[in-house]
Amino acid sequence: QITLKESGPTLVKPTQTLTLTCSFSGFSLTTGGVGVGWIRQPPGKALEWLALIHSNDDKSSSPSLGNRLTITKDTSKNQVVFTMTNMAPVDTGTYYCARKPNTMFVGFDYWGQGTLVTVSS
Amino acid sequence: SYELTQPSSVSVSPGQTATITCSGDSLSDQFVFWYQQKPDQAPILVIYKDTERPSGIPDRFSGSSSETTAVLTVSGVQAEDEADYYCQSTDSRTTYVVFGGGTKLTVL
Repeated sequence: QITLKESGPTLVKPTQTLTLTCSFSGFSLTTGGVGVGWIRQPPGKALEWLALIHSNDDKSSSPSLGNRLTITKDTSKNQVVFTMTNMAPVDTGTYYCARKPNTMFVGFDYWGQGTLVTVSS
Repeated sequence: SYELTQPSSVSVSPGQTATITCSGDSLSDQFVFWYQQKPDQAPILVIYKDTERPSGIPDRFSGSSSETTAVLTVSGVQAEDEADYYCQSTDSRTTYVVFGGGTKLTVL
């Protein structure tokens, strides 16, 4: 059974750095082609892709967010850590992690439940 | 930047067919994925690689794709199909992941 779960703060202040952890089970991030991505959704708005990391440590992130994003993996713990610097109120939303199952499948087949992050002073 | 365009809303009566489009340049160069999201729930994958349906997804959901437009079709719409639907693909030049703006399917 494949599961993913996001964890981290529910409230961050403007200018602070957000750090979220995706803990997963039922698959390995050492398997070739597998990836874990982060996607967010502001209240009442559309999904927005943020970042993706693969088993070979290849990484990509949304160009619209510049160099604010970092994504790393800890395969021994089955975790992916995501950070976003210089948080602002517009970054408020639900943050999801999701699995990309193989090289040719550039989509997400399993999603975490999401975690709501509010940016406010 | 690469963009995928969806209608903001589609409305159909129960039993009818709902068609949701997703438009983007050279869309046929990359696979398209479709997700269903109900209120306060995480998205679930309903179509992958343009036309494939994950196990557990009813066969009334189908997908197709052409040069610039992908289509999600829901045949014999049921009340439980009322949800937001998002298409997703990748920019073939950069491999960045892109989501469409979402379509709210209303069952009248």
